[in-house]
Amino acid sequence: SQTIHQWPATLVQPVGSPLSLECTVEGTSNPNLYWYRQAAGRGLQLLFYSIGIDQISSEVPQNLSASRPQDRQFILSSKKLLLSDSGFYLCAWSFWGGYNEQFFGPGTRLTVL
Amino acid sequence: DAKTTQPTSMDCAEGRAANLPCNHSTISGNEYVYWYRQIHSQGPQYIIHGLKNNETNEMASLIITEDRKSSTLILPHATLRDTAVYYCIVGAGNNRKLIWGLGTSLGVNP
Repeated sequence: SQTIHQWPATLVQPVGSPLSLECTVEGTSNPNLYWYRQAAGRGLQLLFYSIGIDQISSEVPQNLSASRPQDRQFILSSKKLLLSDSGFYLCAWSFWGGYNEQFFGPGTRLTVL
Repeated sequence: DAKTTQPTSMDCAEGRAANLPCNHSTISGNEYVYWYRQIHSQGPQYIIHGLKNNETNEMASLIITEDRKSSTLILPHATLRDTAVYYCIVGAGNNRKLIWGLGTSLGVNP
């Protein structure tokens, strides 16, 4: 069976500090990978999606970036966090070719102070 | 991508069926209807999806109207653990992006 891991579960960072959130998937090959952000009381906003190593599409211009150094590893980064970056960050995967049935990780709650 | 409209909140008695409506009047012929739910502070969980025909799995049933402009998710015997926000989303099978609204907050009462 497939599993998805995200860490850390919670994170408190000062404004201007860097960020690195990691997501890994087990039990499948060539997954599509996604990063979402959910602000308090809001729906999910797609940030990045990837159909393969080094193949990443950005959905929203911002100070975040994503990388996929390995097939089942997806990393969300920022060089300098803003207050508005606070939120619940979710990683998800779907089977290659099956874009819409997505399976989500437990999420990382980021607070920028 | 088609948009969806859902009630903001609903309540249901424990043990009763919960019927969650969704309007998607601008759905295209190649777009599926997907349902997810999100329990507080957790990642969303896939429930079910359909194109034209009604669908049923171990979690729920999905009823899609003949004109496909609306659908209903049915939880046959709601429990307290079904308390969550339920999202109705439409998207094409080859569309990588799902547009998430605010969903319906379902409260199951003992």
